[in-house]
Amino acid sequence: DSGVTQTPKHLITATGQRVTLRCSPRSGDLSVYWYQQSLDQGLQFLIQYYNGEERAKGNILERFSAQQFPDLHSELNLSSLELGDSALYFCASSAPGSTGTQYFGPGTRLTVL
Amino acid sequence: AQSVTQPDIHITVSEGASLELRCNYSYGATPYLFWYVQSPGQGLQLLLKYFSGDTLVQGIKGFEAEFKRSQSSFNLRKPSVHWSDAAEYFCAVGDQTGANNLFFGTGTRLTVIP
Repeated sequence: DSGVTQTPKHLITATGQRVTLRCSPRSGDLSVYWYQQSLDQGLQFLIQYYNGEERAKGNILERFSAQQFPDLHSELNLSSLELGDSALYFCASSAPGSTGTQYFGPGTRLTVL
Repeated sequence: AQSVTQPDIHITVSEGASLELRCNYSYGATPYLFWYVQSPGQGLQLLLKYFSGDTLVQGIKGFEAEFKRSQSSFNLRKPSVHWSDAAEYFCAVGDQTGANNLFFGTGTRLTVIP
């Protein structure tokens, strides 16, 4: 158990809908990262937050957004969903000054029908 | 730009045999390197990491990896594989420009046969 929690574990929805994925980092970690794992794209970095502020963006679509709240939990919002958004979405967290060691949550599997 | 190549998509080994999973990276400076393991339906578990210093690093579950700058490699090894090691293994390089996000290879699926 990494100490990173993600909810829900599974999500099934229809095209055009909007969903929110939630992540709670390990106690004391200030950074939260979101990754997407799909069969065709592999594991890709989406976005990072550090202590409530956006720090870096990767291959994140404009239909996707994220935020980190004062209690440091983070939410990834996916809107206007398409079939191709079906994937496993991981959250990871790291401590300040940890030279990038990230600990991953169990993931949320999103299925868009 | 950073990138990671794992040339072996799938490897099959017998239980008790030795294992080496290959990883090559592209990075302009001394990289931060990681190996993660993903069991079916599970998240990514950190096996080991390299930041600097001794080029042979020990990890959990009996795994080790060796950083070879001249070959831009960070291969994962285990002297004797157990059936429970069957999983997908990912090599990653860390972005040191501030974000520290990870660039992952495509993964190597390990099958262990009795």
